[in-house]
Amino acid sequence: GEDVEQSLFLSVREGDSSVINCTYTDSSSTYLYWYKQEPGAGLQLLTYIFSNMDMKQDQRLTVLLNKKDKHLSLRIADTQTGDSAIYFCAETLSLNDYKLSFGAGTTVTVRA
Amino acid sequence: AAGVIQSPRHLIKEKRETATLKCYPIPRHDTVYWYQQGPGQDPQFLISFYEKMQSDKGSIPDRFSAQQFSDYHSELNMSSLELGDSALYFCASSGFGETQYFGPGTRLLVL
Repeated sequence: GEDVEQSLFLSVREGDSSVINCTYTDSSSTYLYWYKQEPGAGLQLLTYIFSNMDMKQDQRLTVLLNKKDKHLSLRIADTQTGDSAIYFCAETLSLNDYKLSFGAGTTVTVRA
Repeated sequence: AAGVIQSPRHLIKEKRETATLKCYPIPRHDTVYWYQQGPGQDPQFLISFYEKMQSDKGSIPDRFSAQQFSDYHSELNMSSLELGDSALYFCASSGFGETQYFGPGTRLLVL
């Protein structure tokens, strides 16, 4: 997507933390999402954050939002081989615009 | 918990043929979205429906049409198929304005 940018690749050692970054351009973004896609599979919603929050934690996942810099990150603690996948950052632009605009996706490879 | 159901899961068609993709939303979800994901691409929004009416339209070709039925399931009709239509087609459902949950997708291959 043009409005949402992500780095394309991340390699991480098993047991380490992974940090996936995303920047978005539209300051009217309301919700920001992280979806996971395993090879040949569908899109699994991991977590989301409302634009008036700056942090959300859910088990091994921590989402940080810096609204001033329009920067979103997803931290995965204790990364496992099952975390190898493509991670998409996505946004909805306003309270009346519900379609998702996706980033290009970050391919995360977990090595033993 | 019930998830979004899409059928068929895989479809092979020839150029210029027609295809129909079906989506059954999560029970009590009244909104359906269609997305197209080309090889190595991010999903692109095509069209959405709320309470059987089209609610938004994205980069959907004129050769494609869609509708939502009284039981809230939706169908995406694709005519005059082109090689470039080969992609993974996702349906997502939600309550109005709420988080979207995606189906497993239909993989369409046009030969």
